[in-house]
Amino acid sequence: NAGVTQTPKFQVLKTGQSMTLQCAQDMNHEYMSWYRQDPGMGLRLIHYSVGAGITDQGEVPNGYNVSRSTTEDFPLRLLSAAPSQTSVYFCASSRDGGVVYYGYTFGSGTRLTVV
Amino acid sequence: QQQVKQSPQSLIVQKGGISIINCAYENTAFDYFPWYQQFPGKGPALLIAIRPDVSEKKEGRFTISFNKSAKQFSLHIMDSQPGDSATYFCAASPNSGGSNYKLTFGKGTLLTVNP
Repeated sequence: NAGVTQTPKFQVLKTGQSMTLQCAQDMNHEYMSWYRQDPGMGLRLIHYSVGAGITDQGEVPNGYNVSRSTTEDFPLRLLSAAPSQTSVYFCASSRDGGVVYYGYTFGSGTRLTVV
Repeated sequence: QQQVKQSPQSLIVQKGGISIINCAYENTAFDYFPWYQQFPGKGPALLIAIRPDVSEKKEGRFTISFNKSAKQFSLHIMDSQPGDSATYFCAASPNSGGSNYKLTFGKGTLLTVNP
């Protein structure tokens, strides 16, 4: 049971480049989300999905795009990378019923640097 | 507007001492309050959680105290050990319909337990 798998673990981008951060879970969780973690800022919600085909914006969605074509995968796309997007990105998932009952399972993160 | 305020930012405790981390919230719709523990290079992991119908919850050396009227909750780590050294995040979530998937995190507390 792999849990939540994020790839890549590290990435350096040049300003203006685009890329996709991958997230996959094998727990058949309905709910998936993306957070970014910055020093002194905690974890901030970027986008989330309550099931295949359903996505919505979180607290800091600008510059990011998501889609959810399958239950297992929830990729995060950076459309045109900016230095302000330098951060550690975490994908998380939860069973249907929400984090209130089951909590989040987090991946190990992707450390992104935009130069 | 920061919805969950966490203090202190960092905390140094001697082995065997008590570690105390405090959080305060403003949104009265919040009714689920978890704490997550994060080790360097890893994603956060659920540590313990409380609902507002109880004032205290204890799991081993970890205790959450909750004060609904003051809109405050805290994590107490008894007999702190060097292995407890990590970043701790408090969080809050409403438990209503589709919103029970969203967690709002505090900014985190870096705990160091000296041997």
